[in-house]
Amino acid sequence: EVQLVESGGVVVQPGGSLRLSCAASGFTFDDYAMHWVRQAPGKGLEWVSLISWDAGSTYYVDSVNGRFTISRDNSKNSLYLQMNSLRAEDTALYYCAKDTVRYGSGSYPDFWGQGTLVTVSS
Amino acid sequence: AIRMTQSPSSFSASTGDRVTITCRASQGISSYLAWYQQKPGKAPKLLIYAASTLQSGVPSRFSGSGSGTDFTLTITCLQSEDFATYYCQQYYTYPPTFGGGTKVEIK
Repeated sequence: EVQLVESGGVVVQPGGSLRLSCAASGFTFDDYAMHWVRQAPGKGLEWVSLISWDAGSTYYVDSVNGRFTISRDNSKNSLYLQMNSLRAEDTALYYCAKDTVRYGSGSYPDFWGQGTLVTVSS
Repeated sequence: AIRMTQSPSSFSASTGDRVTITCRASQGISSYLAWYQQKPGKAPKLLIYAASTLQSGVPSRFSGSGSGTDFTLTITCLQSEDFATYYCQQYYTYPPTFGGGTKVEIK
């Protein structure tokens, strides 16, 4: 059974930093690209970032490019999102999601974790 | 970025109804479209990919159609467990973008 468990969400002040983690199990982690997708309270879904199976390719939505860094450790079956220079508008539930292929190009998330809540507030 | 527009944003329906949700892309995306279902407090669940291919385990009352810029998700014979919010997502190009969602409520 595929399982994705996110952690690391907390309340942080504007301008602060945070690292989210996602522990994966139930599938061969290094066979798939991985996504982060977020959802602000009461709002819709916004794709944030993708990393290929080997970390050789990464992509970001413009609003986080230069502030967030996606990474993975295939030896630990783990995905990460380093978030710097946080803003109030980054407040959201952050989901880790598995892609269906190695590189994520022309593909989509097929399984999502339950999310971890990041609140940016003073 | 490609803009995805869903309509309606919400509506009420009864169990047994046939419902259709529309998703329009701001430019052609071929068939690179997925549909997700999200229930309150839960993660999104993949229903359909490649515009019309049903994800394994998803009931056959769900179907998708369309290509290019116009797509539809149809639920025949709405069940109680289908009351949820539905999102379309294009994966034709980066960044992948979602529609604003369509909330299906109980009449």
